[in-house]
Amino acid sequence: KQEVTQIPAALSVPEGENLVLNCSFTDSAIYNLQWFRQDPGKGLTSLLLIQSSQREQTSGRLNASLDKSSGRSTLYIAASQPGDSATYLCAAPGSSNTGKLIFGQGTTLQVKP
Amino acid sequence: NAGVTQTPKFQVLKTGQSMTLQCAQDMNHNSMYWYRQDPGMGLRLIYYSASEGTTDKGEVPNGYNVSRLNKREFSLRLESAAPSQTSVYFCASSDRWDYTDTQYFGPGTRLTVL
Repeated sequence: KQEVTQIPAALSVPEGENLVLNCSFTDSAIYNLQWFRQDPGKGLTSLLLIQSSQREQTSGRLNASLDKSSGRSTLYIAASQPGDSATYLCAAPGSSNTGKLIFGQGTTLQVKP
Repeated sequence: NAGVTQTPKFQVLKTGQSMTLQCAQDMNHNSMYWYRQDPGMGLRLIYYSASEGTTDKGEVPNGYNVSRLNKREFSLRLESAAPSQTSVYFCASSDRWDYTDTQYFGPGTRLTVL
């Protein structure tokens, strides 16, 4: 059964800092992994979807990587801004590799001006 | 496009009452999902509909029923609400029922059961 873990649960950094968020998964037989952003009181917004064949995906200041062999994914945020403050969640398909996603509990990021 | 919409935004129920949460998407997606989000538990899948006319149980289906009314709409019903069902409920949709597709989420319904 797929399990997804995100550490740390919370992170506070000064503006301008580069940072890395971590996501671990137990079933390495996955074809992709997704990263989402959730603002307080809001729904989830998809940030990046990494296919295992891609191993890395970039969107603006965000870069996500996927290492199936180690069961890890990272989300790199460059030059962080206060507007990046939110909860970031990663999600992997369940063991059947369908649309049934298994979510981590998220990392809540605060970027201080 | 409005994307995924949910009604109501907030609801307070008494134990034993029933209600239906509504979800609609205007992206012509085939698959729709219902999740609940609880502190310390993350998001968990309640039910899903891989395509119009089909529904299936997710991780935590007990106490809930669903209806895929048409391609656009997917409702979640609580027949006899319990305090353990206090949560934030999210509806999502995707074009395809497989691991390659992004899911799009609605804004959520915040439900309190007293």
